[in-house]
Amino acid sequence: AQSVTQPDIHITVSEGASLELRCNYSYGATPYLFWYVQSPGQGLQLLLKYFSGDTLVQGIKGFEAEFKRSQSSFNLRKPSVHWSDAAEYFCAVGARMGSGGGADGLTFGKGTHLIIQP
Amino acid sequence: EPEVTQTPSHQVTQMGQEVILRCVPISNHLYFYWYRQILGQKVEFLVSFYNNEISEKSEIFDDQFSVERPDGSNFTLKIRSTKLEDSAMYFCASSTNRQGEQYFGPGTRLTVT
Repeated sequence: AQSVTQPDIHITVSEGASLELRCNYSYGATPYLFWYVQSPGQGLQLLLKYFSGDTLVQGIKGFEAEFKRSQSSFNLRKPSVHWSDAAEYFCAVGARMGSGGGADGLTFGKGTHLIIQP
Repeated sequence: EPEVTQTPSHQVTQMGQEVILRCVPISNHLYFYWYRQILGQKVEFLVSFYNNEISEKSEIFDDQFSVERPDGSNFTLKIRSTKLEDSAMYFCASSTNRQGEQYFGPGTRLTVT
């Protein structure tokens, strides 16, 4: 079964500084990977996804993530954070199933709480 | 922009009561999901649904839970006899294909007293 580890429970970054949130996954093959963001009291919003191809993927709100197969990682980055980026960030992995029908549930990490200092 | 909607936003119920959580997925999506998030914990997969049947379910999704697509728009999660530990935020999601990005609703906060 797949699993996701987000080693940082909390991260504090100054506004305007760069950001990197770590995500490591465990899966027997190449997974498909997602980053979601959750603001307080809100649902989950998709930031970006990786399925195949270019290992550096661009998302919304200026975020990007890089898939590194050798490190089983999919870290999220942003060059300059804004106060509105304060939220909970979740990395998620989905399994590549065989052909046929069915829907694949995602496995989420425990999340990283991002705090932005003025 | 189309979005997943969920009702109610907050449900309070007594232990042992049945609850039904409702979701309206994005209209052209074919795959539907329920997840839950206990306060302060990670989001956990409950069940997925496609072609009017359950595709996959987790260990959490025991006989107390059921899902249904009663018409062309709604997707429901029923908990037959709620327990205190069922208190959580329940998220519905939908996607266009089985490995596509899943779009989440705002959630229903279920409080069991």
